[in-house]
This record gives sequence, C-alpha cells and structure tokens, in this order.
Amino acid sequence: AQKITQTQPGMFVQEKEAVTLDCTYDTSDPSYGLFWYKQPSSGEMIFLIYQGSYDQQNATEGRYSLNFQKARKSANLVISASQLGDSAMYFCAMRLSGGYQKVTFGIGTKLQVIP
Amino acid sequence: EPEVTQTPSHQVTQMGQEVILRCVPISNHLYFYWYRQILGQKVEFLVSFYNNEISEKSEIFDDQFSVERPDGSNFTLKIRSTKLEDSAMYFCASSAGQGTDTQYFGPGTRLTVL
Repeated sequence: AQKITQTQPGMFVQEKEAVTLDCTYDTSDPSYGLFWYKQPSSGEMIFLIYQGSYDQQNATEGRYSLNFQKARKSANLVISASQLGDSAMYFCAMRLSGGYQKVTFGIGTKLQVIP
Repeated sequence: EPEVTQTPSHQVTQMGQEVILRCVPISNHLYFYWYRQILGQKVEFLVSFYNNEISEKSEIFDDQFSVERPDGSNFTLKIRSTKLEDSAMYFCASSAGQGTDTQYFGPGTRLTVL
C-alpha cells in the first residue's frame, strides 16, 4: 500500500517570493511516480509536475520544481516567483508502476499568495 | 492542448435517483478513471477502465456504481440509487498508458444529493 503525507494544511507566501510545499510518501515498491496537482477554487485538478522514482535529476516545469529526496522519501514542490494566480490547493500524489492504476493523493495544502 | 471534458458541471438529484456523469477523455488515451472528492477531503480513487473492462476498483465502488464506454469517445459513471453521502465532486481522468503515466483530470462534476 502507498501513502502520501502533506503536513501543511495552509501556507502563506508573499507575491514574487518562492515557497516550498512539503510532501512525504511511503511505499515499499521501488518503481513509482510522484505528481503534483493544483486545484483552484473553481475545482478543476490541474497537473503540474511529475517525478519518476528512477529519475536522476529533479523535475522542473517553468516556475515549478520538485525537490526529490529518495532516501528521505520526500517530494517537495517549489514554486518560484509566486503569483496571485498560484493561490489554490496543492495535492501531492503517487502512482505505482507494475500494472497498478490508481493515483493516491495527499490531503492537500492550501496556498495563499499575498500581494 | 487536448483536455478531458466532463458534463454536467453541476448535478442536483434527489436521494434514490439514478445519475449518469459523462466524460470525454483525451482522444488518444487508452486508460480511463473516476475519482471523487468529498468536500474538504482528499481525492479518492473509484475505478479504472481499460479495453472495455474494469481493471481496478476501490472498496468505494460497490454495486451502486457502474462505468461504461458507450461509444468511441464517451466514458460514463452511473450511480443507480444515490445516497446523501454520494454528494461530492467527481473527476474523470485519462492516461495514455498505465504504470507511472500522468493522469489528466477533467474539470469535475459536482454532484449534490438532496
């Protein structure tokens, strides 16, 4: 079984500053993928970034980067140069390989960007 | 950019009624999923569907739920006799492959059971 833990129910960040959203995971499977999704107040689930368990380098997508520390089982999301439109819920998620289908989500972190 | 679409965006129904939630996955994707999110809670997996059959389902997906791909583009979730606790946001998702392939989510259908 896999588990995702997000310990920050809410975070504030000043506009244009960087922010790190924490995520730890637990699995005994050696092959997995880690994802971050953004959920604005409108409700849709937007894919942000992906990190494979065998990837040597941390994933980056524009202002998003994933700080992947495999030994610590952490996959923190870093948002640089925060914008007001970044205010949303952020979910860390994991999917195992080997034919498993489901994505397991964390409880989420609510990020508010302050002007 | 291709995207998953869902209709309706909001569905209100009476307890005991049947509802059908509709989704159009990304056109070249082969794997389809339904998730739900009860207000204020985490997103929960319901079911996955591949090659016209269910490939995995959770304990939430009981006999009241069914899925179907009635044609080449639509993917539906049916709840036969809705209960108050079925009130949630229902997300459809699709992926090109299995394993660690990214699942792309639709905008969701908010189901309210009165």
